[in-house]
Amino acid sequence: DTAVSQTPKYLVTQMGNDKSIKCEQNLGHDTMYWYKQDSKKFLKIMFSYNNKELIINETVPNRFSPKSPDKAHLNLHINSLELGDSAVYFCASSRGTSGRETQYFGPGTRLLVL
Amino acid sequence: AQKITQTQPGMFVQEKEAVTLDCTYDTSDPSYGLFWYKQPSSGEMIFLIYQGSYDQQNATEGRYSLNFQKARKSANLVISASQLGDSAMYFCAMRDVETGTTGNQFYFGTGTSLTVIP
Repeated sequence: DTAVSQTPKYLVTQMGNDKSIKCEQNLGHDTMYWYKQDSKKFLKIMFSYNNKELIINETVPNRFSPKSPDKAHLNLHINSLELGDSAVYFCASSRGTSGRETQYFGPGTRLLVL
Repeated sequence: AQKITQTQPGMFVQEKEAVTLDCTYDTSDPSYGLFWYKQPSSGEMIFLIYQGSYDQQNATEGRYSLNFQKARKSANLVISASQLGDSAMYFCAMRDVETGTTGNQFYFGTGTSLTVIP
């Protein structure tokens, strides 16, 4: 049973398009995250939701909009895709937001913008 | 300022030998968590081990152990009896409460690429 799942696994699209990445966790966790991993493998947090409320919103273009319909889902919608958006996007979840809580990651979505 | 520093971009180890991957961190929060993740070439992020700032003993999980030196702010990962399947990127991460906020931040280092040589 997959704990944190993302769809699609691969996404190839043209510049200017709008796309969504879906994330679901079946761990019963309250907190979910989106990360971007660039070509140099650097991981940077983009957003975090706790109980469907946005708690972390790093400096990310407003073309990126997260949506959490319920605690088990955190989707990422990207408008007007640009070449620089090409990266691997990871969804993650944790039981809560305290320092002790481990984050568990999804398999990643490899986005390539042409 | 860099919260997590991994100074070894690449490391090599002979199969069956032990290897230490370095990680230093920076925080003024007395309560924090330290984590190590493994990212094999297939791309997934696999949680390996956790150390809490108040934990008295170093964390261990199978062949993984964390050499936690609080005063030096270091949390090095030790992998014993290396196996070929250990070849991967390894990320050190920290979770603390950013000073002046109630928000909890999770920071990753830049990673160390480990290659196990047969």
